Amino acid sequence: AQSVTQLGSHLSVSEGALVLLRCNYSSSVPPYLFWYVQYPNQGLQLLLKYTTGATLVKGINGFEAEFKKSETSFHLTKPSAHMSDAAEYFCAVSIGYGGSQGNLIFGKGTKLSVKP
Amino acid sequence: NAGVMQNPRHLVRRRGQEARLRCSPMKGHSHVYWYRQLPEEGLKFMVYLQKENIIDESGMPKERFSAEFPKEGPSILRIQQVVRGDSAAYFCASSRGTVQETQYFGPGTRLLVL
Repeated sequence: AQSVTQLGSHLSVSEGALVLLRCNYSSSVPPYLFWYVQYPNQGLQLLLKYTTGATLVKGINGFEAEFKKSETSFHLTKPSAHMSDAAEYFCAVSIGYGGSQGNLIFGKGTKLSVKP
Repeated sequence: NAGVMQNPRHLVRRRGQEARLRCSPMKGHSHVYWYRQLPEEGLKFMVYLQKENIIDESGMPKERFSAEFPKEGPSILRIQQVVRGDSAAYFCASSRGTVQETQYFGPGTRLLVL
């Protein structure tokens, strides 16, 4: 069965510091990987996704993630945090075939806070 | 182009009542997914529908929960005889297809059962 683990339910960084949000997945077949962001009392917004091809994926708001098959990881990074980045971030995986047919399996999320 | 719309945004029900949650997908999207988010938890898949068909309901509780996506109109998630444990945020997502297609999420319906 597929699963997603996000290390750390909370992360606090200073404005301008590096943001690193960790995501590891478990899948018996090559997965499709996603990062979503959720602002308070809102829905989820897609930051970026990996399906095939280049393993370094660039997304919106300066975020990027790298798919590392050998490490089964898809960590999200941003070189310099901004106050507006404070939100909850979810990593998700989809195996995209058979019974799941694209259903997303989410990690429990990491709440990012940014200190001035 | 309007995004995924959900209504109501907030819903309060007493134990034993029925809750109806509506989701209108983005224009051109024929695939709808429902997810539930419990406090301090990530989103959990409930059901996947296409027009007039339930494709996968493996995440749906066996009793009291049902979903539909009629030929005309929004998708409906129905919870009968609600209990306090049903209190959660329910999100709908839509996509043009499956597999690697992006799912676009609505703002959610926050259900509170008293």
